[in-house]
Amino acid sequence: DVKVTQSSRYLVKRTGEKVFLECVQDMDHENMFWYRQDPGLGLRLIYFSYDVKMKEKGDIPEGYSVSREKKERFSLILESASTNQTSMYLCASSFNRNNYGYTFGSGTRLTVV
Amino acid sequence: EDQVTQSPEALRLQEGESSSLNCSYTVSGLRGLFWYRQDPGKGPEFLFTLYSAGEEKEKERLKATLTKKESFLHITAPKPEDSATYLCAVQAGAGGTSYGKLTFGQGTILTVHP
Repeated sequence: DVKVTQSSRYLVKRTGEKVFLECVQDMDHENMFWYRQDPGLGLRLIYFSYDVKMKEKGDIPEGYSVSREKKERFSLILESASTNQTSMYLCASSFNRNNYGYTFGSGTRLTVV
Repeated sequence: EDQVTQSPEALRLQEGESSSLNCSYTVSGLRGLFWYRQDPGKGPEFLFTLYSAGEEKEKERLKATLTKKESFLHITAPKPEDSATYLCAVQAGAGGTSYGKLTFGQGTILTVHP
C-alpha cells in the first residue's frame, strides 16, 4: 500500500514562529498536495507540485510556501504563523496528472497560540 | 470553475435504516469522481472511483452510482461503525483548469445510532 506519512499528528506553535510541516510518500508518486481542512469550509488546496522543484499555488497560498527538493518529500512552510492558520493540514499524493485520486496522510492538527 | 455540492450536510440514521448521500457536480470533462471516508482526526480514506455515467461500485454496505450530473452513495442497513464524514471529489480532464487536481465537496457527516 502507498503510504503518505506526515511527520507530526499534533503541533502547538506560537504566533510569529516559522513552522515546517513535512510529508513523505513511498510510492514514487509525481504529484503532491497540501490542503487545510476547517469546519464548514471543507478541504482547501494550499499548494501542489507536479515534479521535483516545481510548485504551483492552490486556492489559498497566502502565508504559506512549499519546498520539494526530492520526489518523495513535500514540505509546507508557514513563514510567520498566525492564529488563523490553526487548522488540520492534510498532505496527499497521486501517481501523476492522469491518475486518478489521492492517497492522504493522517493529517497534522496545528494550533497557533 | 469546477464545483461539488454534497447533501445533506449531516444525516442521522438508526442502525439498519438505509439511506443515500448526494453529490452534485459541475466539471469541465469529468475524468473521475471519487468517494472518501474520513474518521474524526484522521485523513480521508479512499472508497470508490467512478469514471462514466451509469457506472456502479459496491463495497460491503456501500454502493456508489454516477450520472452525468450527480453521484449517490447508498448505505444499506448501516451500522454504527459506518459513522464518519463522507467526501465526494471530482477530477477534470485534460484542458480543464483543474487538471490533475481534485475538487472536493464539503462532506456529509453520517451518524448511525445503535
